[in-house]
Amino acid sequence: KNEVEQSPQNLTAQEGEFITINCSYSVGISALHWLQQHPGGGIVSLFMLSSGKKKHGRLIATINIQEKHSSLHITASHPRDSAVYICAVRSNYGGATNKLIFGTGTLLAVQP
Amino acid sequence: DVKVTQSSRYLVKRTGEKVFLECVQDMDHENMFWYRQDPGLGLRLIYFSYDVKMKEKGDIPEGYSVSREKKERFSLILESASTNQTSMYLCASSSRGSFEGYTFGSGTRLTVV
Repeated sequence: KNEVEQSPQNLTAQEGEFITINCSYSVGISALHWLQQHPGGGIVSLFMLSSGKKKHGRLIATINIQEKHSSLHITASHPRDSAVYICAVRSNYGGATNKLIFGTGTLLAVQP
Repeated sequence: DVKVTQSSRYLVKRTGEKVFLECVQDMDHENMFWYRQDPGLGLRLIYFSYDVKMKEKGDIPEGYSVSREKKERFSLILESASTNQTSMYLCASSSRGSFEGYTFGSGTRLTVV
């Protein structure tokens, strides 16, 4: 079993829909990242969370440390939101570095 | 705008060639990382470095080596490229102990023929 699980793996939505992508993890963490990767493109960091909730435009990320779960929400989705969304956690086993453990990603396609 | 720059976007190399992938960051970050990304497997850590001339193996170091002679530059070396090293390679950097500032490069898509 992967230490970071995302669901769904694939998601197709109509423009304007509210979208939720889920991430569950099984290790103790110090932080969780949500990343976005457009087709053929590099990876962009959307959020870094250690507790609570963050909002950036139409994107909202929440985390529940006790339940080891995070969600990424997209309101009023648009075709330009089509991308792979990746959840990554920073394990809290210590050390000077901050390696990430990645989920396998959620492929989102928003149709006009 | 802060950046992690990978020298090549696309590379095609022959089996057995020695391949260098270069990564440069301009954020004075201590930590630098090399990942490969494959369908269904996600991102896997190859090597990382937490200081100049320091390196540690990640989860899949076999067939790779790295070099960090200067703080801003982290090179990934495929000593003898093989077809199973065809992949997307991503470099990242972060500041030590910080919760912010984990930045990725745009990736290098390497094809070994």
